[in-house]
Amino acid sequence: AQSVTQLDSQVPVFEEAPVELRCNYSSSVSVYLFWYVQYPNQGLQLLLKYLSGSTLVKGINGFEAEFNKSQTSFHLRKPSVHISDTAEYFCAVSYYKLSFGAGTTVTVRA
Amino acid sequence: DGGITQSPKYLFRKEGQNVTLSCEQNLNHDAMYWYRQDPGQGLRLIYYSQIVNDFQKGDIAEGYSVSREKKESFPLTVTSAQKNPTAFYLCASSQGADNSPLHFGNGTRLTVT
Repeated sequence: AQSVTQLDSQVPVFEEAPVELRCNYSSSVSVYLFWYVQYPNQGLQLLLKYLSGSTLVKGINGFEAEFNKSQTSFHLRKPSVHISDTAEYFCAVSYYKLSFGAGTTVTVRA
Repeated sequence: DGGITQSPKYLFRKEGQNVTLSCEQNLNHDAMYWYRQDPGQGLRLIYYSQIVNDFQKGDIAEGYSVSREKKESFPLTVTSAQKNPTAFYLCASSQGADNSPLHFGNGTRLTVT
């Protein structure tokens, strides 16, 4: 069975600064990887997904993630954040079953 | 626009009462899911359904029940047997394959006192 670890529970960042959210997973087989964003009191929205092919995946709102098979990681990055990026971010891994990480809360300050 | 509708957004109940949360989708998705979200614990799967008239228990099914009589609808009942029912409940749907992303509703926040 696979598991997902989001290494940071809280990430404070200043507006226009870069941000990286770390996600490691454990699985003995190839998996599909996803990042979702959740704004306060709302459901989750898909940011991006890795299914196969290029290890650098671009998503919505300027986010991108890099799949590293040897390190079993799928870190999410944005080069310059906005106040509106304040939200909770979830990494998810799928192989027969979808597993979510515990989430990383990003707080963007002016 | 296609999407998932959860109602109501906020729900209050007294302890010992059963309560049903509604979830409707018009995405023509085969699979539907119910998750529970508690602070710091991510999302935990309660029940899922891959096809009409069939559903399976997830990781935390005790104290919950579901039905899937129509493709569009997947209501969740929180029974009095659920020991800690106060939580944020999310419904989702997908095309059903492992590589299909989930589409989520905006959730129902249930408070039981």
